[in-house]
Amino acid sequence: EAQVTQNPRYLITVTGKKLTVTCSQNMNHEYMSWYRQDPGLGLRQIYYSMNVEVTDKGDVPEGYKVSRKEKRNFPLILESPSPNQTSLYFCASSPSRGPYEQYFGPGTRLTVT
Amino acid sequence: EDKVVQSPLSLVVHEGDTVTLNCSYEVTNFRSLLWYKQEKKAPTFLFMLTSSGIEKKSGRLSSILDKKELFSILNITATQTGDSAVYLCAVPINTGTASKLTFGTGTRLQVTL
Repeated sequence: EAQVTQNPRYLITVTGKKLTVTCSQNMNHEYMSWYRQDPGLGLRQIYYSMNVEVTDKGDVPEGYKVSRKEKRNFPLILESPSPNQTSLYFCASSPSRGPYEQYFGPGTRLTVT
Repeated sequence: EDKVVQSPLSLVVHEGDTVTLNCSYEVTNFRSLLWYKQEKKAPTFLFMLTSSGIEKKSGRLSSILDKKELFSILNITATQTGDSAVYLCAVPINTGTASKLTFGTGTRLQVTL
């Protein structure tokens, strides 16, 4: 089944404890992206990647890192999480070279206390 | 600054009504506009619009773009309770080497019996 998977789906952590949210797609898509969704602010793009080893900042990259060592994986790293990073996170991928018809993962709800 | 604005913010209609959702944008180097539907989970792709005046249609949903007046509308006819969702509009922003994506805050549609 063609899909984007994210893990974990739910995570409660403490301030400063490094964490990684994994994202994997099995559709051989080139474009991958991370978004966070907050009430009243909508979906905002954190980072995106056009292809392996090519990543770039979205609108809200502060406090996040990403890597794209393999085409299928695009992990999101929070080196030192803070409470303002409590949010719902979505990973997405697209078969084109841009954020057009994107397939979204199921989301990761992160709470930082 | 690139902007995507949706209206109304929320809407309650009765089953069978027709609704029109609006999305206006101010972006440089506009190329396309996307519509997504988000129920209690991840967004799913509805339409991508690139040309003015050409309607995209899928069942009871249709959408059209006006590149002169910088807006798009999403119409839903004969609404059903299953249409209840947040409808998101998004515009890819060309960054030179790639495209990032800017979303509007969405229109929350509730269809009642």
